[in-house]
Amino acid sequence: GQQLNQSPQSMFIQEGEDVSMNCTSSSIFNTWLWYKQDPGEGPVLLIALYKAGELTSNGRLTAQFGITRKDSFLNISASIPSDVGIYFCAGGALVDSSYKLIFGSGTRLLVRP
Amino acid sequence: GAGVSQSPRYKVAKRGQDVALRCDPISGHVSLFWYQQALGQGPEFLTYFQNEAQLDKSGLPSDRFFAERPEGSVSTLKIQRTQQEDSAVYLCASSPARGVYNEQFFGPGTRLTVL
Repeated sequence: GQQLNQSPQSMFIQEGEDVSMNCTSSSIFNTWLWYKQDPGEGPVLLIALYKAGELTSNGRLTAQFGITRKDSFLNISASIPSDVGIYFCAGGALVDSSYKLIFGSGTRLLVRP
Repeated sequence: GAGVSQSPRYKVAKRGQDVALRCDPISGHVSLFWYQQALGQGPEFLTYFQNEAQLDKSGLPSDRFFAERPEGSVSTLKIQRTQQEDSAVYLCASSPARGVYNEQFFGPGTRLTVL
């Protein structure tokens, strides 16, 4: 089935540094969503992308829908301690004749004050 | 504000027991989704409702899993004769629009542990 390769698996950075993570696939997606999940909670939507090439910002977060529709990246600028968490990408595509969201395996972000 | 709520938050079951997990979506949301999230992994799609109609149940791992949304609001995911491999967090999400491409809002999940 369709799979997303999300990288890196984890990052341990200094407060104030910029962060970049991405998702790639051999399959085409029609939608890319980026979520953040804190321990014991459900994922919270950060950014939604609906068009190839689309670049969208939400505060210190910027995400892009790759022009080939097979990838997306998320950047976080000037990281702060509350950015700690697990970030998931999710691609929307037709799978087995049904539209589904396929999630990556997550990027765990740790921020050192 | 009222987000998606799920109950119970934690459930411990003995192997072979039946369990029922409840989801209260955001009021007025048309679409409702169930996902299974194994430890250290992303959520995996189980099933999708549009109002009371279950339009996609292709992600349910076996016929022991059953979901319903009889009045197009609250949904219940039932697992019969639980097995250890059913241990996971079960997430519910709702969306104001039809179709899976629209933004989905997640509940906090139910952590199921099968002993």
